[in-house]
Amino acid sequence: EVQLVESGGGLVQPGGSLRLSCAASGFTFSNHWMSWVRQAPGKGLEWVADIKQDGSMKNYMDSVKGRFTISRDNAKNSFYLQMDSLRAEDTAIYYCARNFLWGWLPWGQGTRVTVSS
Amino acid sequence: QSALTQPASVSGSPGQSITISCSGTDSDVGGYNYVSWYQQHPGKAPKLMISEVSNRPSGVSNRFSGSKSGNTASLTISGLQAEDEADYYCSSYSSSVTYAFGTGTKVTVL
Repeated sequence: EVQLVESGGGLVQPGGSLRLSCAASGFTFSNHWMSWVRQAPGKGLEWVADIKQDGSMKNYMDSVKGRFTISRDNAKNSFYLQMDSLRAEDTAIYYCARNFLWGWLPWGQGTRVTVSS
Repeated sequence: QSALTQPASVSGSPGQSITISCSGTDSDVGGYNYVSWYQQHPGKAPKLMISEVSNRPSGVSNRFSGSKSGNTASLTISGLQAEDEADYYCSSYSSSVTYAFGTGTKVTVL
């Protein structure tokens, strides 16, 4: 079964840092682009970042450029989102997802990030 | 980031067909056949329903279909069922922001 499991969410103060992890199983992880997508409370979906199979290309949404870093470890079938200089507006459920035909399939269950003092 | 425009809500009776629109620009919906659609039930992760405008992934009911004309994509749900009540989001590759999502549509089964 193709599966993604996120971890690492929690409560952090503004300006703080958090590292999200996503563990993949059931498919050849190193063959796929991978993404992070977030959803603020009561709001819609927002693509955050993605990373190429070998980690050589990374793309970010404008509001997280310079603050968030996406990375991966193909030996561990995992990828990550390092989030620095966190702001209240980064509060959201963060989903990891496998890129699939210019969309995403499957999605993880999500991990909640709350930025608040 | 620029969001694609969807109606806030659409409703229909069981057995009816409904269509959700997703309006973009030449830089996203109109410029690429890379539109996808997602179903999200409350408290759950999104689920891919349609990829590349009109392709259904394995396991998705054939009651769901997608199309595109110009800068507007559409998702049609035929034979509406109670389990179809959920939020639906479109997404498109975008030359300006990499990926854009729609504003979301709440589907209510009357």
